[in-house]
Amino acid sequence: NAGVMQNPRHLVRRRGQEARLRCSPMKGHSHVYWYRQLPEEGLKFMVYLQKENIIDESGMPKERFSAEFPKEGPSILRIQQVVRGDSAAYFCASSYRSALYGYTFGSGTRLTVV
Amino acid sequence: AQTVTQSQPEMSVQEAETVTLSCTYDTSESDYYLFWYKQPPSRQMILVIRQEAYKQQNATENRFSVNFQKAAKSFSLKISDSQLGDAAMYFCAYRGVKTSYDKVIFGPGTSLSVIP
Repeated sequence: NAGVMQNPRHLVRRRGQEARLRCSPMKGHSHVYWYRQLPEEGLKFMVYLQKENIIDESGMPKERFSAEFPKEGPSILRIQQVVRGDSAAYFCASSYRSALYGYTFGSGTRLTVV
Repeated sequence: AQTVTQSQPEMSVQEAETVTLSCTYDTSESDYYLFWYKQPPSRQMILVIRQEAYKQQNATENRFSVNFQKAAKSFSLKISDSQLGDAAMYFCAYRGVKTSYDKVIFGPGTSLSVIP
């Protein structure tokens, strides 16, 4: 049973380009969470999704960032017109029902904006 | 709003010795869950241990145990017989049961070094 799969593991984008980060949750998990980790900092919540629905996006910047979790396929975190400040590790986590039992995390995508 | 604080940015321990990592949190909720996650250099986040606030008994997982003091809002992690593989960032985390939004709040982390 594969864990949470994130790709790519590393992503380099020039300022102004778009970044698309993918996350496939564990089999049977319908809850997906995205977190951002800046250097030397902890994880900051961005968005919580269930299939085809955004449940909580209170941690996501209002502009340039969007997330989806379609009926078929992985969850996508999309960052448009990236800036240097977007450089961070982005982690996806999934859970079966809710976060009460703890998440299963992916290995993260390290985004570097040059 | 709930917050999680880890006052020790860095800690070190001699191999085979015991170390305790501190965590405090702030909440107005009476029912919640607390977690410790480990992040080794590979960056993979690994759930180490989980504690339900309504349980008085401290959780244990092999060499890992917690000291949960609900009144003090303290949740420390004790690692016994430390091994080189324990070297990692450790994050304390909180999740309220009745919180409207289903998310886990993380502390800033403690970097643990294990000295051979």
